[in-house]
Amino acid sequence: GQNIDQPTEMTATEGAIVQINCTYQTSGFNGLFWYQQHAGEAPTFLSYNVLDGLEEKGRFSSFLSRSKGYSYLLLKELQMKDSASYLCAVDGGATNKLIFGTGTLLAVQP
Amino acid sequence: SQTIHQWPATLVQPVGSPLSLECTVEGTSNPNLYWYRQAAGRGLQLLFYSVGIGQISSEVPQNLSASRPQDRQFILSSKKLLLSDSGFYLCAWGTAYEQYFGPGTRLTVT
Repeated sequence: GQNIDQPTEMTATEGAIVQINCTYQTSGFNGLFWYQQHAGEAPTFLSYNVLDGLEEKGRFSSFLSRSKGYSYLLLKELQMKDSASYLCAVDGGATNKLIFGTGTLLAVQP
Repeated sequence: SQTIHQWPATLVQPVGSPLSLECTVEGTSNPNLYWYRQAAGRGLQLLFYSVGIGQISSEVPQNLSASRPQDRQFILSSKKLLLSDSGFYLCAWGTAYEQYFGPGTRLTVT
């Protein structure tokens, strides 16, 4: 079956670093995506990993280990505007259909 | 750059009424197109995807249908809405390494 797991909620402090984990079990793997979704809005693309290792984009980094079925999103220098849901999604097939986890709701506190 | 348009932004419809949601994409040719639904407090569920004009694949059985009459136009329809059809409907376009969402339509069935 297809399964993607993320923590439901996390809390962190402004200026700190937070790591959001994602584990997956899918029948195929063409890459892993991270999205940010603010309440009431559409998801916005953050990162894509297809090879093992760390991809860095400014304050956001994403890591992938295909052998472990594991990824994490690292957010540095947290800002209040980073309070949002973070969605992990796996591209599991030839037509690039994404399988989403239920998302992690991150609350950044002053 | 690519832009995705969806309309309407919000919609309130009675049970049993028909539905038509439209999505258009600019700035790309022959994109893969997707319809997702996000129920309140839940993850994104893929409803339909299309790899070309007239080519529609359904992911889950339901009373919804989709059509792609033009390369960059994707339509989601229903003949008779159910209460369970309420949710946030998102159109997306994608390639092997990226997938972007439109602004979404929030549908409330009463």
